[in-house]
Amino acid sequence: GAVVSQHPSRVICKSGTSVKIECRSLDFQATTMFWYRQFPKQSLMLMATSNEGSKATYEQGVEKDKFLINHASLTLSTLTVTSAHPEDSSFYICSARDTGDRTEAFFGQGTRLTVV
Amino acid sequence: RKEVEQDPGPFNVPEGATVAFNCTYSNSASQSFFWYRQDCRKEPKLLMSVYSSGNEDGRFTAQLNRASQYISLLIRDSKLSDSATYLCVVIERDSGAGSYQLTFGKGTKLSVIP
Repeated sequence: GAVVSQHPSRVICKSGTSVKIECRSLDFQATTMFWYRQFPKQSLMLMATSNEGSKATYEQGVEKDKFLINHASLTLSTLTVTSAHPEDSSFYICSARDTGDRTEAFFGQGTRLTVV
Repeated sequence: RKEVEQDPGPFNVPEGATVAFNCTYSNSASQSFFWYRQDCRKEPKLLMSVYSSGNEDGRFTAQLNRASQYISLLIRDSKLSDSATYLCVVIERDSGAGSYQLTFGKGTKLSVIP
């Protein structure tokens, strides 16, 4: 199947700093990227959806100025957590799909963020 | 937001049992349907696509019922390694915006017991 590479897989950062997470599609065009957050023992929560070359659409309650999403190319999207706080500690997962009605989404390996 | 509903479980079944999950969706115009599997602390992985004609892959069978707006996943002869959370995914096309929306159910947790 198609591969989506996400890194870093783990990151520990200090409160107040920013962290950038990258998500790359390796063998297909990621027309649409989805960013999710998952807290322990909870389900995936969609944070935002971005189409290549357009501004991301954020879900209600997700601060767009805090979670900056860039999707400037068909193979790369980044999520930057700005001014991180301990409550931002979570598992962040990207998902990418190409266009088409029957096209499935492929997931990155996830990034476990710990803010200390 | 359109809804995709799943029974969260947990479903605790003995090895060798047959277990079935359902997932209902609210948007009758939904285009595509998939089942994903997520292991603890890992990313979801595609298990299988779901078509109107049904889809079978070994011990796994997926069905789509458009009239009643649900999809199902049947696992026969359950193995310990089947223990995971199973997520249904519905893809809808926003014809006005020309974009696609991916909606996940919250997942059904399966534990296969020795």
